[in-house]
Formats: sequence, structure tokens, C-alpha cells
Amino acid sequence: EAQVTQNPRYLITVTGKKLTVTCSQNMNHEYMSWYRQDPGLGLRQIYYSMNVEVTDKGDVPEGYKVSRKEKRNFPLILESPSPNQTSLYFCASSLAGGLKTQYFGPGTRLLVL
Amino acid sequence: SQKIEQNSEALNIQEGKTATLTCNYTNYSPAYLQWYRQDPGRGPVFLLLIRENEKEKRKERLKVTFDTTLKQSLFHITASQPADSATYLCALGGQTGANNLFFGTGTRLTVIP
Repeated sequence: EAQVTQNPRYLITVTGKKLTVTCSQNMNHEYMSWYRQDPGLGLRQIYYSMNVEVTDKGDVPEGYKVSRKEKRNFPLILESPSPNQTSLYFCASSLAGGLKTQYFGPGTRLLVL
Repeated sequence: SQKIEQNSEALNIQEGKTATLTCNYTNYSPAYLQWYRQDPGRGPVFLLLIRENEKEKRKERLKVTFDTTLKQSLFHITASQPADSATYLCALGGQTGANNLFFGTGTRLTVIP
């Protein structure tokens, strides 16, 4: 089954404790992206990757890191989480170029205390 | 920067009626526009795409129009059903030099039996 998976689905952590949210897709998509979704603000892009070893900032990159060492994986790293990073996070993938129809993962709900 | 507005946060409609959702945008020249459906706690799911040179697109009970002069897209669900209750997001993409999709904040549709 074609899908995007994220882990963990739910995470409670404390300020300053580094964490990683994993994302994997099995559709051989070149383009992968991370979004956060907050009430009233909608989906905002954090980082995206056009292909392996190619990443770039989205609209709200501060406090986040990403890497793309393999085509299928695109982890999101919070080196020192803060309460304002409490949010619902989605990973998405699509074919590069063209129409960028996004396939979204199930989401990771993060609470930073 | 681009701005995307979707009419009213919430829309209630009687079962069997046509729901019409609006997406307006400024400071952007999209090559295409997409509509997604999002159920609570889940990732958005792609529904329809319309290109800038297309006026209208249909898929089963769904219809999308795109007016680049008005900078507006309308999303219609005919013969609405309670199962259509969800949040609907519009997303713009394809502006020259831009690699990303930009999402609106969404309209929460409730179809009342």
C-alpha cells in the first residue's frame, strides 16, 4: 500500500530535550516536506527536500532541522524544543516538479512542556 | 508574501443541499490550485486539481472553478451528505520559481442530517 508513515504519532516532552520525528514514504517520491498545523494558522511548511541531500527552508524553519540521506526518509529534528513548538506535524511527499499533489502522513501530535 | 483566505471558518448545511466553499488569494500567480479534505486528527487527502487555464473541473459530486482574474476558486459539493463533513483546504502552487504549495486555513463543513 502506498503510504507515508510517521513516528511517533504522539509525543510529550520537556523543553530542551532533543527529539526526532521520523517520516518514510514508499512511493519513490523525490519531493518531501514537513508542515505544522496550528489553529487559525493552517498548514505552514517548515522544510522541504527536492531530492536526496537537497533541502531548503519553508515558511517557519526556526528551531527545526532536517536531513535527507535516503530518498524514502525525511526526519524532522528539534534540537532544543520549546513550548511554542507544540503543534500537529505532518510529513508529505510528492513527485518532484509538476503538480505537487501531496500525500500526507497521519500526523504527529507534539506537546512540549 | 502570498495570502490565501477561505470563507468562514465553519459552514453548516442541510443534507441534500449544495455546499459552496470559497478560496481567495492575493500576491500570488498560481499555475494550479488544489483542494484537500481533512478529517479530525488525520492528514489532508487530495481531492481535485485545477490548472490556471481551466475554468471548471468535476469529479463525481465535486466541482471546482478557478477564476484567475478574480483570484478565486469555488469548491462545490452537490447533494451533500453527513459523510462530507470535514475541513476542506485549498492550496496554491506552481508560481514560477516556487517549489511549494501554500495552504489556506480551511473551512470546516458540517452537513446536518
